[in-house]
Amino acid sequence: DQQVKQNSPSLSVQEGRISILNCDYTNSMFDYFLWYKKYPAEGPTFLISISSIKDKNEDGRFTVFLNKSAKHLSLHIVPSQPGDSAVYFCAARRGSNSGGSNYKLTFGKGTLLTVNP
Amino acid sequence: ETGVTQSPTHLIKTRGQQVTLRCSSQSGHNTVSWYQQALGQGPQFIFQYYREEENGRGNFPPRFSGLQFPNYSSELNVNALELDDSALYLCASSLGTTGLNNEQFFGPGTRLTVL
Repeated sequence: DQQVKQNSPSLSVQEGRISILNCDYTNSMFDYFLWYKKYPAEGPTFLISISSIKDKNEDGRFTVFLNKSAKHLSLHIVPSQPGDSAVYFCAARRGSNSGGSNYKLTFGKGTLLTVNP
Repeated sequence: ETGVTQSPTHLIKTRGQQVTLRCSSQSGHNTVSWYQQALGQGPQFIFQYYREEENGRGNFPPRFSGLQFPNYSSELNVNALELDDSALYLCASSLGTTGLNNEQFFGPGTRLTVL
């Protein structure tokens, strides 16, 4: 049962354009969402997160949007750079205010982003 | 401040053998989580240790076990290896287990191949 889904295995964009990576979730108990970036031979690196009480969080070129009613979030990268080429994982967890421990991250399968010069 | 390190980088074992993977957490982090990432999949939560005790477990059999030591290092032990155990094993350290912003910092992983 895939509780976090990234339906696009790969995405290719031109340098300078916008990259939009999508993620859907099914578990309504999730109330904190994270994006991780992973280069080959390295562990995932935290990129940006959003709490379910917000619908947008921005950090430089990276913005995450959350549509709680649709159980959908997206990561926007503007402008895209060749160094952004990596696998992007969407992850979710239950917050402590929902009565459960937030120890467990549930990941999607990832989307390979390629930014072409 | 040193990051999360894991050893070995790669490991080849045969079915039925036992393996121990090691992780050194980021300095000051009292919580370590272990994940299994099979090829083409996202990381799957195995278990978490907090202050040297297991603090939660994912859907993995008991032959997956762990230890956490006072110096912030930890181990993942897998007994009776099966072919499907071939994967990248990631450890992640964090400070504390509750609170919305305790980011998990991942190590580079150990690539285990079971033949």
